[in-house]
Amino acid sequence: NAGVTQTPKFQVLKTGQSMTLQCAQDMNHNSMYWYRQDPGMGLRLIYYSASEGTTDKGEVPNGYNVSRLNKREFSLRLESAAPSQTSVYFCASSAPLAGGLYEQYFGPGTRLTVT
Amino acid sequence: AQSVSQHNHHVILSEAASLELGCNYSYGGTVNLFWYVQYPGQHLQLLLKYFSGDPLVKGIKGFEAEFIKSKFSFNLRKPSVQWSDTAEYFCAVNAHNAGNMLTFGGGTRLMVKP
Repeated sequence: NAGVTQTPKFQVLKTGQSMTLQCAQDMNHNSMYWYRQDPGMGLRLIYYSASEGTTDKGEVPNGYNVSRLNKREFSLRLESAAPSQTSVYFCASSAPLAGGLYEQYFGPGTRLTVT
Repeated sequence: AQSVSQHNHHVILSEAASLELGCNYSYGGTVNLFWYVQYPGQHLQLLLKYFSGDPLVKGIKGFEAEFIKSKFSFNLRKPSVQWSDTAEYFCAVNAHNAGNMLTFGGGTRLMVKP
C-alpha cells in the first residue's frame, strides 16, 4: 500500500495563476482532508470530505475549491493564487477505529510558493 | 469551537535529557487526543493516541503522554531523548461533537544536540 500520495511535491506559482493539487489514497477510507501548515500555526483544515460525493468547508476555505473525484481521490484547486497561500499543503484520510475514534493518515505534503 | 495550545514553540535539549511538551485544549466534553511527529522533510506520523481507559498512554519510540481531564492537558514525555528525536511535535484534539475533525496545536520544534 502506498498510503496517501500527493502531487506535486513542490510548486512555484506567480500571483493570479491557478493550479490543482492532487491527492489519492489506497486504504479505502471514506473521509479525506486538506490542511495547510504554516509556521507557529500548526495544521489548519481547509476542506474535508466525509464521504464520496460530499465536501465541506473547514477553518480556512477562502481562495480554495475541492473536488472529491471518487473514493480514492480528493483534489484542491487554487483558482487565483495569492502570496498568502504560500504554505505546505497536506492531504489526509481517516479510518474509523473502535469506539467512534478516527485516525488520520497524512500524505508527504506539497510545498507551494506564490510570488 | 475547540482550540489547542502548545506553549513551548521551540525546545533545545542535550541527548539523554528528559522531555516534557505541554498541550492544553479548550473543550469541556469528551475528547480523543493525539500527538503527531514530523521529522525534517517528512510527513506527519502518529506518535500516540488516547480515547479512553488508562490516562497514561504509551506510544512509539519511548514516548508517553498523560491525559489529565481536570487540567484539560495531554502532555508528552520522554525520559531520555536522542538526537533522532529532533522533529516538530503536534498535539491534536478530536471533540466528540466534531465528527472526525482534528484541531491541531501550533507545534513544538524540538532540537536535540548530540
